[in-house]
Amino acid sequence: ETGVTQSPTHLIKTRGQQVTLRCSSQSGHNTVSWYQQALGQGPQFIFQYYREEENGRGNFPPRFSGLQFPNYSSELNVNALELDDSALYLCASSLDRLAGDFEQYFGPGTRLTVT
Amino acid sequence: DQQVKQNSPSLSVQEGRISILNCDYTNSMFDYFLWYKKYPAEGPTFLISISSIKDKNEDGRFTVFLNKSAKHLSLHIVPSQPGDSAVYFCAARDDQTGANNLFFGTGTRLTVIP
Repeated sequence: ETGVTQSPTHLIKTRGQQVTLRCSSQSGHNTVSWYQQALGQGPQFIFQYYREEENGRGNFPPRFSGLQFPNYSSELNVNALELDDSALYLCASSLDRLAGDFEQYFGPGTRLTVT
Repeated sequence: DQQVKQNSPSLSVQEGRISILNCDYTNSMFDYFLWYKKYPAEGPTFLISISSIKDKNEDGRFTVFLNKSAKHLSLHIVPSQPGDSAVYFCAARDDQTGANNLFFGTGTRLTVIP
């Protein structure tokens, strides 16, 4: 059973650019959540996808968007990057929220630096 | 607006002794609480959880206590081992939207001294 994987590991972008981060969920998991972890803070919920549909969103602007694919892999897209977007971006998958399984399994994260 | 708070950024404990990590929350609608452990360059790893209808859950060396009236939970690790040295995050679930969002604290760095 493979765990949650994320790519790339590190990324440097310039303010105003766009970025796409990728996540492969743990095998059999149909729910994926994305979190932003700024330095010295805990992860903050961005949004969740369940069976390819957005299923809840935290306090992040629309320039943060996502996709979930039929194989349950996922993307996080951020447009018009700002310096404050510099953070560790974590993807977490869970088995099936309707089954009551809400323990989330995290990937290692993508470290985004915006200059 | 930090709904989950871990007021101790760090804790040092001697090997073999008890480690107690604390967490406070403000949202009475949280229905499930989790502890995650994080090593450098890795994502958080699930450790133990507790439903809001219980006041204690034990798994080996790890026990989580929940005091709903005080909106407080704690993680006890006994005996502490050097391999337990990591950052520990407390998290709480708000399922009002059905989205299974987790709200995290800022973490406590535990150092277990051999």
